[in-house]
Amino acid sequence: KAGVTQTPRYLIKTRGQQVTLSCSPISGHRSVSWYQQTPGQGLQFLFEYFSETQRNKGNFPGRFSGRQFSNSRSEMNVSTLELGDSALYLCASSPGTGAEAFFGQGTRLTVV
Amino acid sequence: QKEVEQNSGPLSVPEGAIASLNCTYSDRGSQSFFWYRQYSGKSPELIMFIYSNGDKEDGRFTAQLNKASQYVSLLIRDSQPSDSATYLCAADNYGQNFVFGPGTRLSVLP
Repeated sequence: KAGVTQTPRYLIKTRGQQVTLSCSPISGHRSVSWYQQTPGQGLQFLFEYFSETQRNKGNFPGRFSGRQFSNSRSEMNVSTLELGDSALYLCASSPGTGAEAFFGQGTRLTVV
Repeated sequence: QKEVEQNSGPLSVPEGAIASLNCTYSDRGSQSFFWYRQYSGKSPELIMFIYSNGDKEDGRFTAQLNKASQYVSLLIRDSQPSDSATYLCAADNYGQNFVFGPGTRLSVLP
């Protein structure tokens, strides 16, 4: 059974640009969550999607957005990139409410 | 503000010893708790989850939950150098996402 796949693995962008990250969950999993991980802040929750609906959102500015498609694949978008957006972005796949979640390998975003 | 707290460490134990990792959480409504291991430069890997008060064992790992004290722990028996990593404790947020602690760095010394 394939795991969670995130693309791309690494990304370098310039301030002011926008970026789209992709996540393909484990087959059959309908919940996808996104987290930002930085050395200073640890793992911070961005948003969670279940069956194409955003159910929960963390405390991030509106520049961070996401969506989920009918096949459960999810994308997150960050517009007007800032240096502080440099982080490891992790996607977690879960079969449903309260169940264990499995992480992808992450996308390391560097903003210069 | 829901919070999960962990001692950031580093926690150093000799090879073969028992490593004890602790975690407290603020929201009494949390029902499920998870331990993840994260090696440097890698993504978190699920080790165990626990829903009920008491102990849950899986190989060398034992998770313990005390909902009255809002306390979760992970014991690693016969610690190996390969167990050296950061251990993240997470509490569910009404089934929609996890709240993670800052992680405890474990170092197992040969």
